[in-house]
Amino acid sequence: DAKTTQPPSMDCAEGRAANLPCNHSTISGNEYVYWYRQIHSQGPQYIIHGLKNNETNEMASLIITEDRKSSTLILPHATLRDTAVYYCIVRVFREYGNKLVFGAGTILRVKS
Amino acid sequence: DGGITQSPKYLFRKEGQNVTLSCEQNLNHDAMYWYRQDPGQGLRLIYYSQIVNDFQKGDIAEGYSVSREKKESFPLTVTSAQKNPTAFYLCASSQTSGSYGELFFGEGSRLTVL
Repeated sequence: DAKTTQPPSMDCAEGRAANLPCNHSTISGNEYVYWYRQIHSQGPQYIIHGLKNNETNEMASLIITEDRKSSTLILPHATLRDTAVYYCIVRVFREYGNKLVFGAGTILRVKS
Repeated sequence: DGGITQSPKYLFRKEGQNVTLSCEQNLNHDAMYWYRQDPGQGLRLIYYSQIVNDFQKGDIAEGYSVSREKKESFPLTVTSAQKNPTAFYLCASSQTSGSYGELFFGEGSRLTVL
């Protein structure tokens, strides 16, 4: 599975959009991009995933570049509760062997 | 409510003792996973199981053992052979067929070796 690169930390003002980048330059055509987040001392929580097209759900939007070598997770109106570590993961979806490999992620601090 | 239950939440162990962490899910998921997390680091995969009575080693399986006798249960034993067992342990489960395999995590078990 392809490796990802994320900035170690970012700050965002409460109420503003938080844009978290992820580089995955070695991604292959059948690999999906997943985002999870982990609030301190809790289990990670699934946010969103995508393959080629941009995706949106009630939590966030995922923008994938046309060459698929990078993506951005957007939290449109960040709140203090969005302070967490955000993980970007790329992997092939298989019937079996669906293990996810987590890197260090990005610490997002939302400030009032 | 459906979910994953890990117990105990906090556990203290003396050096040389084995300890078993419990993980139970009522989501009817086929696959289950154990991850380890050290302070300031990401998650590392210990073991995973795609089906009952079958499991595979992850990236850091040495010093750990698992069993998968029932679909809903995937206990992890931290043995005395694990050199540095103090960590935060997370159990997860996922559906296999008919989904994109997103993981659902428990709240974690924090193990401290005294």
